[in-house]
Amino acid sequence: EPEVTQTPSHQVTQMGQEVILRCVPISNHLYFYWYRQILGQKVEFLVSFYNNEISEKSEIFDDQFSVERPDGSNFTLKIRSTKLEDSAMYFCASSLGQKHTFGSGTRLTVV
Amino acid sequence: DQQVKQNSPSLSVQEGRISILNCDYTNSMFDYFLWYKKYPAEGPTFLISISSIKDKNEDGRFTVFLNKSAKHLSLHIVPSQPGDSAVYFCAASEQNTGFQKLVFGTGTRLLVSP
Repeated sequence: EPEVTQTPSHQVTQMGQEVILRCVPISNHLYFYWYRQILGQKVEFLVSFYNNEISEKSEIFDDQFSVERPDGSNFTLKIRSTKLEDSAMYFCASSLGQKHTFGSGTRLTVV
Repeated sequence: DQQVKQNSPSLSVQEGRISILNCDYTNSMFDYFLWYKKYPAEGPTFLISISSIKDKNEDGRFTVFLNKSAKHLSLHIVPSQPGDSAVYFCAASEQNTGFQKLVFGTGTRLLVSP
């Protein structure tokens, strides 16, 4: 069964540094998403991406965040200047419709 | 603003018995509902879904029931197996928006004991 692949699985970064989380969605999917889950909390929507542009973003997705699909296969989430509260699991997902297929996540730890 | 709520943080069931996980929602625009299972250090895995035009959907040991008037859905697992032990998330979306983000509940941790 096709998978969504995320790298790295764990990233530790210093506060104020930039991080890029990478994802390879399922190749024939049209919609791409980033979600995050702070420890012990629910999975929260960050941003959706369709037709090479952001289609919707949440309040969490402020100017420190950006997404890109640079080469037709990769889908990246950049956090420009990380804060302690950005520490979370970040999940990439892709879909053709409502059913999302999620990657296994990147655990981001900001110290 | 909790649009999707799972009021039971945990549930313990014996192997072979039925597990019933509940979910309530407040947004009447939601018209598609999904259940995901999540193991530690893994991403959510799709289990089963239901459209608002139905009140039941079944897939093997998993059945989802939807009560639109009560804005309530439930996932039944029968018979429960130890491998079903995981966190279960209810999620909802609006089909007609075109961009189908999912709104998740807080999850219910299911423990199935042998």
